[in-house]
Amino acid sequence: DTGVSQNPRHKITKRGQNVTFRCDPISEHNRLYWYRQTLGQGPEFLTYFQNEAQLEKSRLLSDRFSAERPKGSFSTLEIQRTEQGDSAMYLCASIRSTSGEETQYFGPGTRLLVL
Amino acid sequence: GNSVTQMEGPVTLSEEAFLTINCTYTATGYPSLFWYVQYPGEGLQLLLKATKADDKGSNKGFEATYRKETTSFHLEKGSVQVSDSAVYFCALCTNAGKSTFGDGTTLTVKP
Repeated sequence: DTGVSQNPRHKITKRGQNVTFRCDPISEHNRLYWYRQTLGQGPEFLTYFQNEAQLEKSRLLSDRFSAERPKGSFSTLEIQRTEQGDSAMYLCASIRSTSGEETQYFGPGTRLLVL
Repeated sequence: GNSVTQMEGPVTLSEEAFLTINCTYTATGYPSLFWYVQYPGEGLQLLLKATKADDKGSNKGFEATYRKETTSFHLEKGSVQVSDSAVYFCALCTNAGKSTFGDGTTLTVKP
């Protein structure tokens, strides 16, 4: 069990460019969550998957954001036409919900800076 | 909707001082409650949790008790160390598994 991993750890991009982040959850964890954390704030929920199905999306997730989990394992979060307001830490977490466990295991995050 | 309110920081203490960070919540149903710690440049690490009323979570000398009557989950430690300096987040989790976080409290412990 190697924990939740996220790549890249840091991303600097210019406004208007597209970016994609990857999250690899703990193996056998069927639920995967994406959060966004801005400076001085707590993480805010964006979306989550149970296996490959995206079950809920926050209103924070504008049309420029899309998330996938095609095989129920790793997930990607894409932001199209990035804006400076997208600059934040993007956190991924996973749970094995079938065990009744509610503890989310977080990855180290991807820090995005949009210039 | 669900919400979590933490005492505002930053909090600065001397080593071996007593720590309290207040946390209150608003939620529908019966959430589980958590404290996470975040060190600079890192993700969130679970510190402790409680899943039902009157449960006490504890870890590394930190404790918090789930108080349903006051909707609170205050974090305490009897004697802080310099290595406890970090940002602490209170959070609640619903049965869908998604978490609602407070804004965090920055703790600085001076030797």
